[in-house]
Amino acid sequence: DAKTTQPPSMDCAEGRAANLPCNHSTISGNEYVYWYRQIHSQGPQYIIHGLKNNETNEMASLIITEDRKSSTLILPHATLRDTAVYYCIVRVEAAGNKLTFGGGTRVLVKP
Amino acid sequence: DTEVTQTPKHLVMGMTNKKSLKCEQHMGHRAMYWYKQKAKKPPELMFVYSYEKLSINESVPSRFSPECPNSSLLNLHLHALQPEDSALYLCASSQDGTQPYGYTFGSGTRLTVV
Repeated sequence: DAKTTQPPSMDCAEGRAANLPCNHSTISGNEYVYWYRQIHSQGPQYIIHGLKNNETNEMASLIITEDRKSSTLILPHATLRDTAVYYCIVRVEAAGNKLTFGGGTRVLVKP
Repeated sequence: DTEVTQTPKHLVMGMTNKKSLKCEQHMGHRAMYWYKQKAKKPPELMFVYSYEKLSINESVPSRFSPECPNSSLLNLHLHALQPEDSALYLCASSQDGTQPYGYTFGSGTRLTVV
């Protein structure tokens, strides 16, 4: 699976949009981009995934650049409960394939 | 039911003890996983079961022994652990891997080896 690069930490203001970048310049054509987050002392939580097109669900939006070498996770209106470590992962879908976590971005939402 | 349930939530064991961690899901997922997470580090994959067969072992020491009795259950048997094995142990499940679905994680078992 391709490597990802994320900033180690970022702060954002409550109520504002949080834009979390991820670089995956070695991504291949059949690799999906996944985002997970882990709130303190809980298991990771799936947020969203995409292949080529931008995606939106009730939690977030995922913007993937046309060359697929980077993506941005957008939390439209950050709340204090969004404080967590956010992981960007790329992987090929295969039966029993492994999900490998990188360092992630520690996001602190401030009042 | 859209959850992965892990028991116990906390476990303290001595280095000579034998204990087991349990993971259960009823979402019809056919792939199940064990991860280990040390403080302030990302989760690290230990084992992958696909259709109840062990498909990936990430060179985990033999004092950790996984078992998948059926498609809904995953166990991790622990024996002769060391204090450095103290960590949060996470179980996850996913569809059979042929479609891009996310993983569902449990809340973990926090293990302390004394």
